[in-house]
Amino acid sequence: NAGVMQNPRHLVRRRGQEARLRCSPMKGHSHVYWYRQLPEEGLKFMVYLQKENIIDESGMPKERFSAEFPKEGPSILRIQQVVRGDSAAYFCASSPGWAVYEQYFGPGTRLTVT
Amino acid sequence: QQQVKQSPQSLIVQKGGISIINCAYENTAFDYFPWYQQFPGKGPALLIAIRPDVSEKKEGRFTISFNKSAKQFSLHIMDSQPGDSATYFCAASRKGNRDDKIIFGKGTRLHILP
Repeated sequence: NAGVMQNPRHLVRRRGQEARLRCSPMKGHSHVYWYRQLPEEGLKFMVYLQKENIIDESGMPKERFSAEFPKEGPSILRIQQVVRGDSAAYFCASSPGWAVYEQYFGPGTRLTVT
Repeated sequence: QQQVKQSPQSLIVQKGGISIINCAYENTAFDYFPWYQQFPGKGPALLIAIRPDVSEKKEGRFTISFNKSAKQFSLHIMDSQPGDSATYFCAASRKGNRDDKIIFGKGTRLHILP
């Protein structure tokens, strides 16, 4: 049973470009969470999605950031017009249901904005 | 009130020694306290977790001590080994609920000297 998969693992973007990060949850999991991790910082919650629904996006900046989890395919975190401050590791986690504490993390995507 | 405060920020322990990481929380509604272990370049992985109805939980060399009245909990790593060198995050959440999410501490970077 494959774990949570994220791609790409490393992504370099120039300022102003778009970054698209993908997350495939564990088999049987229908809930996905995105987190951002800055150096020397903990994990900051960004958004919580269920298939075709955004449950909680309170941690996601209102501008330039969006997330989706379509009926088919991976969850996608999109960052438009990236800035240097967006450089971070982005992790997604999945869970089988409302049991929020049963979260399994992917390996992360390290975004570098030049 | 949603914060989880973790200390120390970094810790160096001799091989065979005891590593102790402390966390404190404010929200008395939290009822699940997991610890995550993260190796460089990897996503966090659930290590051990405790509910507030017990004061201690032990799994191998890892023990969580929980003090409900003080709203504090700690991770003890007995007989610390170089392979334990990683970043450790404490966290807190409420029992699975649609609007709940895991709140993470800022992490402790542990280095075990060989």
